Amino acid sequence: DAKTTQPTSMDCAEGRAANLPCNHSTISGNEYVYWYRQIHSQGPQYIIHGLKNNETNEMASLIITEDRKSSTLILPHATLRDTAVYYCIVRVLTGANSKLTFGKGITLSVRP
Amino acid sequence: EPEVTQTPSHQVTQMGQEVILRCVPISNHLYFYWYRQILGQKVEFLVSFYNNEISEKSEIFDDQFSVERPDGSNFTLKIRSTKLEDSAMYFCASSDHNSPLHFGNGTRLTVT
Repeated sequence: DAKTTQPTSMDCAEGRAANLPCNHSTISGNEYVYWYRQIHSQGPQYIIHGLKNNETNEMASLIITEDRKSSTLILPHATLRDTAVYYCIVRVLTGANSKLTFGKGITLSVRP
Repeated sequence: EPEVTQTPSHQVTQMGQEVILRCVPISNHLYFYWYRQILGQKVEFLVSFYNNEISEKSEIFDDQFSVERPDGSNFTLKIRSTKLEDSAMYFCASSDHNSPLHFGNGTRLTVT
């Protein structure tokens, strides 16, 4: 019942931008797009989320297409420490039942 | 920055024994979650907890599992009689109303 699809893996060079795509063609109007990452076996780490406008914070930028059917997470200057599994998740933001459902994510490898 | 803390980091137990995994959520958060991740597999939702009761649980969360918030700061997951297949990383998370989930770094449970 995956609601997002992501490539299995990608790599990029250290210092370059990493653009991670995600498709969520069945997203509902009340669902937000969330991005998390998991470095090795640590707990998932929140990166960013958005509804329909592009968002930017100190970690990344999130670009959501106008039809909201896909999005791209941008790490502007990837470092070796950004090597991780990145999860794109759609989440209804209402009260007590707003859990996150993780898929397999995309493994980003940053090479020196 | 406030964080979710989990103890112990690693728990080894024998099959059939009871284990209690402990979590201290972020202090002003209202929603609490447990997830697990079997080695090499996806992060799976177990249960969410709000207002001193379970708000949602997955099929994994059977009668062997229970959660409790025994005081104002701790949130615990109890496995009554552990099985070999309960070996996994267990992650606790917490969130405020309509805010991202923040995860701890997990407890690695090994059942022998």
